[in-house]
Amino acid sequence: DTEVTQTPKHLVMGMTNKKSLKCEQHMGHRAMYWYKQKAKKPPELMFVYSYEKLSINESVPSRFSPECPNSSLLNLHLHALQPEDSALYLCASSLEGLDEQYFGPGTRLTVT
Amino acid sequence: RKEVEQDPGPFNVPEGATVAFNCTYSNSASQSFFWYRQDCRKEPKLLMSVYSSGNEDGRFTAQLNRASQYISLLIRDSKLSDSATYLCVVHSGSARQLTFGSGTQLTVLP
Repeated sequence: DTEVTQTPKHLVMGMTNKKSLKCEQHMGHRAMYWYKQKAKKPPELMFVYSYEKLSINESVPSRFSPECPNSSLLNLHLHALQPEDSALYLCASSLEGLDEQYFGPGTRLTVT
Repeated sequence: RKEVEQDPGPFNVPEGATVAFNCTYSNSASQSFFWYRQDCRKEPKLLMSVYSSGNEDGRFTAQLNRASQYISLLIRDSKLSDSATYLCVVHSGSARQLTFGSGTQLTVLP
């Protein structure tokens, strides 16, 4: 089973709202990732967690706050977003850092 | 120079055609290589990993040339369902991250 799940599928939020995106995998993978993808562009890496510790933050604005409560869960907390943050947010996981990554279906976020 | 470069296409081919995509990467220390496909408004899905010896999965063949820093994907007997964007993905090895090419759009026509 190579399934990564994400909730919600769609999210519309105002610029003053606080919301969270959730990601879950039960494959025993030790690395988890958040990506942002705009239309007709490849995914852009935001954060990497390795063994539940944040190992990479690709200079993401502080209005995005990741959290890894345990080895199966990854959250992305959103606060005071801008309309340009509207995008598809993808979660992925891999067994270890060099292995292939499996992506969840994504959360399509619209900031109004 | 971009880290991973692909011809963006679009490639429009008839059903049954053979089509090849190429990809070059700039970091000679890259360690892992993959092809992903992404359908419109969906997540990327792993198509195949790419090994130095080359590998085949049904109608799909991937090749890696480390000396030329070049990866290829060959699709034989293309089907309508092969229409998608194909992403060349390289793991640089120095950090736990993948570098994506910009993708090649394929449309298979009836």
